[in-house]
Amino acid sequence: EAQVTQNPRYLITVTGKKLTVTCSQNMNHEYMSWYRQDPGLGLRQIYYSMNVEVTDKGDVPEGYKVSRKEKRNFPLILESPSPNQTSLYFCASSSAPGRGPDTQYFGPGTRLTVL
Amino acid sequence: SQKIEQNSEALNIQEGKTATLTCNYTNYSPAYLQWYRQDPGRGPVFLLLIRENEKEKRKERLKVTFDTTLKQSLFHITASQPADSATYLCAPGGNNRKLIWGLGTSLAVNP
Repeated sequence: EAQVTQNPRYLITVTGKKLTVTCSQNMNHEYMSWYRQDPGLGLRQIYYSMNVEVTDKGDVPEGYKVSRKEKRNFPLILESPSPNQTSLYFCASSSAPGRGPDTQYFGPGTRLTVL
Repeated sequence: SQKIEQNSEALNIQEGKTATLTCNYTNYSPAYLQWYRQDPGRGPVFLLLIRENEKEKRKERLKVTFDTTLKQSLFHITASQPADSATYLCAPGGNNRKLIWGLGTSLAVNP
């Protein structure tokens, strides 16, 4: 089954404790991205990756890091989480540029609470 | 700046009726427009895509229109069912592949 998986699905942590949210897709997609979704603000892109070893900032990259060492994985790293990073996070993937519009496949979401 | 507006108020309709959701955009000329469905706490799911040179697109009970003059897309669900209750997101996109996301419209279909 074609899918995007994220782990963990729920996480409660404390300020300053480094964490990683994993994302993996089995569709051989080149393009992957991370979003956060907050009430009244909608989906905002954090980082995206056009392919292995190619990453770039989205609209709200501050406080986040990503890496793309393998095509299927795109982890999101919070080196020093703060309460304003409490949010619902989604990983998404889509096919490469030049292969049509960017129809995105989303993961199930990770609800992060930073105390 | 680019702006996407969807009905901010929730839409409540009776089962069997047609639901119509609106997406307006400003300062933008998208090459295509996508509609997604999102259930509470879950990731958005792609429903339909319509390109700028298409007036209308259908898929089962769903229909999308795209009026580049009005800068508007309408999303219709005919013969609506309680299972259609969800939030529907509009996402215009351009040749740079960046999607601009609307905040979504919450639809409740009452039995």
